[in-house]
Amino acid sequence: GQNIDQPTEMTATEGAIVQINCTYQTSGFNGLFWYQQHAGEAPTFLSYNVLDGLEEKGRFSSFLSRSKGYSYLLLKELQMKDSASYLCAVRSPYGQNFVFGPGTRLSVLP
Amino acid sequence: KAGVTQTPRYLIKTRGQQVTLSCSPISGHRSVSWYQQTPGQGLQFLFEYFSETQRNKGNFPGRFSGRQFSNSRSEMNVSTLELGDSALYLCASSPDRTDTQYFGPGTRLTVL
Repeated sequence: GQNIDQPTEMTATEGAIVQINCTYQTSGFNGLFWYQQHAGEAPTFLSYNVLDGLEEKGRFSSFLSRSKGYSYLLLKELQMKDSASYLCAVRSPYGQNFVFGPGTRLSVLP
Repeated sequence: KAGVTQTPRYLIKTRGQQVTLSCSPISGHRSVSWYQQTPGQGLQFLFEYFSETQRNKGNFPGRFSGRQFSNSRSEMNVSTLELGDSALYLCASSPDRTDTQYFGPGTRLTVL
């Protein structure tokens, strides 16, 4: 089966650091992706992990532990424009399709 | 490079009707996937096309179908619309099947 869990909502303050967790139980694994989706807009690609460890890209970093079925997205120096939903997705090695988590709605407060 | 485009952006239909949505991928991208997004179910995979062939299909009824043309453009059709089909339908393209997907703006379908 395929199951991906993320917290539903999170709130943080401008300038702070926030960590959004994602746990997954999927039949096969071929990479974990993070997408950002602003209300009413399409998801945009943020990061990709296929090996264990941390991938850093500017203010955003993503971590993966395949043995634990766990990933997190770290957002530093939060800005108001970071208020959005963050989607965790796992790609299946069989059909190459993506299974998306429910998304975490992040609100950044002044 | 132009991004993924989807038409129409908004659509209102009534139960029992059918609808066709269109997706033009980023130039050079050969893989096109379709997703349904609703507040309750999140993003759910519908199907994937690569080189005009359906390579993968999600758990949706046969009322949902699609196709891909030789220029990689794709269409999705939903027949006998139900109220529960109201959703944002997103198309995503990638250069190849193993690459990162890039999403279009979506078509917001409302079924009355």
